[in-house]
Amino acid sequence: TQLLEQSPQFLSIQEGENLTVYCNSSSVFSSLQWYRQEPGEGPVLLVTVVTGGEVKKLKRLTFQFGDARKDSSLHITAAQPGDTGLYLCAGAQDNFNKFYFGSGTKLNVKP
Amino acid sequence: DTAVSQTPKYLVTQMGNDKSIKCEQNLGHDTMYWYKQDSKKFLKIMFSYNNKELIINETVPNRFSPKSPDKAHLNLHINSLELGDSAVYFCASQGLAATDTQYFGPGTRLTVL
Repeated sequence: TQLLEQSPQFLSIQEGENLTVYCNSSSVFSSLQWYRQEPGEGPVLLVTVVTGGEVKKLKRLTFQFGDARKDSSLHITAAQPGDTGLYLCAGAQDNFNKFYFGSGTKLNVKP
Repeated sequence: DTAVSQTPKYLVTQMGNDKSIKCEQNLGHDTMYWYKQDSKKFLKIMFSYNNKELIINETVPNRFSPKSPDKAHLNLHINSLELGDSAVYFCASQGLAATDTQYFGPGTRLTVL
């Protein structure tokens, strides 16, 4: 069983559409990170959230950490083909450098 | 300059062989990791080292032995390779805080035949 479940698993949309990816757990995390991974490469960090209820914006990407620090969401506005990739959430517990990764969401944005 | 580098990029070998994957980081980080990503893209931590000391060992078979000769290097040696070891292995490094950015290497795709 995985500690972090992501949904949806796959998402194929047209350029210009909005989307939300969810990362859910029954466990509490001290911090949560979102990564994007492209084929043949390692994951690249997008954002880290640490406070319950925190919202961070990175251009067209909005990240939210749940109030109870058990879940997070990633919202993309006006998706572009360059957003295509595998999105991974990762949570750390007890401030230790041990990360549990989510099951991943594969996003395809069609031009 | 590549922050975290791994060699080789691809590794194809027969069942039962022993192989090593090397990792180097030039970020001056104290913490380094090995992760395994399976065919379903699930990324799972295997080991974590802090300043050459083993911190995390996630119930990985004894056939896997990490070695850190200095804090810039973390190598992974695998004995008696099995079919189920086929995966992409990622090395990563990070600063001291759990909230610091974790930098991943490009990955090593291991195929066991």
